[in-house]
Amino acid sequence: DGGITQSPKYLFRKEGQNVTLSCEQNLNHDAMYWYRQDPGQGLRLIYYSQIVNDFQKGDIAEGYSVSREKKESFPLTVTSAQKNPTAFYLCASRTGGVGNTEAFFGQGTRLTVV
Amino acid sequence: AQSVSQHNHHVILSEAASLELGCNYSYGGTVNLFWYVQYPGQHLQLLLKYFSGDPLVKGIKGFEAEFIKSKFSFNLRKPSVQWSDTAEYFCAVTNFGNEKLTFGTGTRLTIIP
Repeated sequence: DGGITQSPKYLFRKEGQNVTLSCEQNLNHDAMYWYRQDPGQGLRLIYYSQIVNDFQKGDIAEGYSVSREKKESFPLTVTSAQKNPTAFYLCASRTGGVGNTEAFFGQGTRLTVV
Repeated sequence: AQSVSQHNHHVILSEAASLELGCNYSYGGTVNLFWYVQYPGQHLQLLLKYFSGDPLVKGIKGFEAEFIKSKFSFNLRKPSVQWSDTAEYFCAVTNFGNEKLTFGTGTRLTIIP
């Protein structure tokens, strides 16, 4: 089955701890994305990567970090510097090189920091 | 900076009513525009997209959208909605040559049977 896998579906962490969210795709897509979805605020872009070993900050990158060591994987770390980390996080990927291709989304990870 | 505005936050319609959801983008160059839908409990999925050619594009489930470059708009329409169209709808944009994919704040659509 081709697709995007985010794990885990639900994640709980104590305040002050870093946490890493997993995103894996087997669609052979170059571009990958992390979004945060909050009620009434839509999808806000955290980071994106156009190719392996390269990534750019999105609109709300503060308190987050990413890596892109493999084409298939784009993990997101929510650091203790993120002031309001409790949210629903979505990973997406799409064919790179042209801007008109469809993005495919994972099922999301709901992070709760207590 | 690239941005997308969706001014309708929550729209409530009766079945068979006509629908138009607004989307405006900020970037002045060549753009690619998308509408995605998120049904309750499901992944986001693509409704339709525009990148060139005929500014009126048709998508799945009877939806269509019109690109009006002079107005920086890409409004979504459907002539007769169904209860199953109840969902959240997102407009999105990329710029030519850049992979940054920016979404709007979304419009929640509720259809009353």
